[in-house]
Amino acid sequence: RKEVEQDPGPFNVPEGATVAFNCTYSNSASQSFFWYRQDCRKEPKLLMSVYSSGNEDGRFTAQLNRASQYISLLIRDSKLSDSATYLCVVITGNQFYFGTGTSLTVIP
Amino acid sequence: DARVTQTPRHKVTEMGQEVTMRCQPILGHNTVFWYRQTMMQGLELLAYFRNRAPLDDSGMPKDRFSAEMPDATLATLKIQPSEPRDSAVYFCAGSSYNEQFFGPGTRLTVL
Repeated sequence: RKEVEQDPGPFNVPEGATVAFNCTYSNSASQSFFWYRQDCRKEPKLLMSVYSSGNEDGRFTAQLNRASQYISLLIRDSKLSDSATYLCVVITGNQFYFGTGTSLTVIP
Repeated sequence: DARVTQTPRHKVTEMGQEVTMRCQPILGHNTVFWYRQTMMQGLELLAYFRNRAPLDDSGMPKDRFSAEMPDATLATLKIQPSEPRDSAVYFCAGSSYNEQFFGPGTRLTVL
């Protein structure tokens, strides 16, 4: 079983829509969680950290559910510029595990 | 504005040739990672170093790949001999705590 599993999508949504991605992890001992964003032909960059209490940054909300071992990313009022691949990252011990990424295209 | 740099940015080579990729991490980032990314497999960890010491290279085909960190400002990934299935984007990343800072990647094509 993979450490991190992520629905690859693609998600194609109209501008203004709300879209949510989930990512599951297999190790209950994992201690840190993040979402990264990767634009086409670019490197991944940190989008936001994920906490059990939730983390909100403008239109983006990240949530951690330890009981069910998943993290989520919610994007409200999506913009064309949100089109990218979103990767979840789980840290277990001193190991980083990346999901394969979920592709999002926001359509005018 | 400190950044991770990687060279070359693009490399096209023929099967059997040696390929060397270089990475300059941000000064002070004592953990350095090498990743490979393809459409099919996503981002795969090849190897990583902490304070220049190799900690894990289990993701790397040892018969042809080697990773070194000769000093704190340089990490190298070498493929010898290269094969068409090695075609991918190779990223280097550095971190000091939990955030990883990626370089722009080396896009490798092996014909």
